[in-house]
Amino acid sequence: EAGVAQSPRYKIIEKRQSVAFWCNPISGHATLYWYQQILGQGPKLLIQFQNNGVVDDSQLPKDRFSAERLKGVDSTLKIQPAKLEDSAVYLCASSSRGGGYNEQFFGPGTRLTVL
Amino acid sequence: AQSVTQPDIHITVSEGASLELRCNYSYGATPYLFWYVQSPGQGLQLLLKYFSGDTLVQGIKGFEAEFKRSQSSFNLRKPSVHWSDAAEYFCAVVPYSGAGSYQLTFGKGTKLSVIP
Repeated sequence: EAGVAQSPRYKIIEKRQSVAFWCNPISGHATLYWYQQILGQGPKLLIQFQNNGVVDDSQLPKDRFSAERLKGVDSTLKIQPAKLEDSAVYLCASSSRGGGYNEQFFGPGTRLTVL
Repeated sequence: AQSVTQPDIHITVSEGASLELRCNYSYGATPYLFWYVQSPGQGLQLLLKYFSGDTLVQGIKGFEAEFKRSQSSFNLRKPSVHWSDAAEYFCAVVPYSGAGSYQLTFGKGTKLSVIP
């Protein structure tokens, strides 16, 4: 079974530029999550999708971050414009259902450096 | 405030020695509890989880964890560490809720180094 795929693996941009990350979850997984992991900290949930609907985006900085999962499969996370403090690893995860007891499977992440 | 605390930022052990990584949580009701491992350049992998029942939980790679309600703790243990266990370990919780969002909240992690 293929795991969660993410691209690119690394990205370096200058502040005020825009950037997009792509995630393809495990086939058949209805729930998709985006996390931000700043160096030295644990991952923090940015947004949770159930199929193509948003379940929780309470911690997403909506003035600069956006995410979509139009067909309920793959997803894109965008930052526009980027700030220095957005330097982090962006992790995508998926689970078969949204219940708290369901295991989340994580992708390898995209490491973003904002200069 | 609701939180997950991993008091040890970095632990070094010798190969073959036993290991215990600490995790404490602060929530009104017992949340769902998880331990994840993150190796360099790789995504997070679930080691084990606890929802209810037997308070000693067995996981993959020879790890186990014990839930202690009185101490609000969920410590991870391994009787004999291998060099390949060197990684960062995260304790995580999902607060028990009837709402649709199940936000996995992570501690700050404990980095494990293993001396050959």
